[in-house]
Amino acid sequence: GAGVSQSPSNKVTEKGKDVELRCDPISGHTALYWYRQSLGQGLEFLIYFQGNSAPDKSGLPSDRFSAERTGGSVSTLTIQRTQQEDSAVYLCASSRPGHSYEQYFGPGTRLTVT
Amino acid sequence: KQEVTQIPAALSVPEGENLVLNCSFTDSAIYNLQWFRQDPGKGLTSLLLIQSSQREQTSGRLNASLDKSSGRSTLYIAASQPGDSATYLCAVRVGTNAGKSTFGDGTTLTVKP
Repeated sequence: GAGVSQSPSNKVTEKGKDVELRCDPISGHTALYWYRQSLGQGLEFLIYFQGNSAPDKSGLPSDRFSAERTGGSVSTLTIQRTQQEDSAVYLCASSRPGHSYEQYFGPGTRLTVT
Repeated sequence: KQEVTQIPAALSVPEGENLVLNCSFTDSAIYNLQWFRQDPGKGLTSLLLIQSSQREQTSGRLNASLDKSSGRSTLYIAASQPGDSATYLCAVRVGTNAGKSTFGDGTTLTVKP
């Protein structure tokens, strides 16, 4: 079946603009995660959705970052008033219960803020 | 706060060698540990997942072990090949549900023909 997909694959934006990044999880996966990978650094947790439960937003670095998940499927990560330090690869993963919540990752969106 | 460390940061070996990558974590109350590989410019590919109740998992030439008491996991790669060249990441999930994972910074492996 299809894996996790993300769009766009690359995004270049000017400082101060808002951007939206999209993630389509694997069908049937109830859990969805967003991570950020800055150049030469490890993965940093941003936010986690599980079914209808309140999301775990503990990793969002500032109030400029927000995410939503509509209908328990597609998720959008929004960054308002982008800054140069927001430049990174944004990775989305999904998982499902009964399979140890093994995470499956999408290819990522490379965001460059100029 | 869970901290995950991977040593070494980089490793270069000739083709055919067996090798071990290390992952250590500070909080032993883990739910599971997952090993991934990441090729340059790509996403993460899941290799092996070990539940907290398990000691090891095997897939082909890969074997991952888990020792919760010492806070360590190893990924053993047998008969390495140039196609194994990639960055290997371990991710530790703490707690009893499908929450976030904490990642190490990875080990970049180069297998020379």
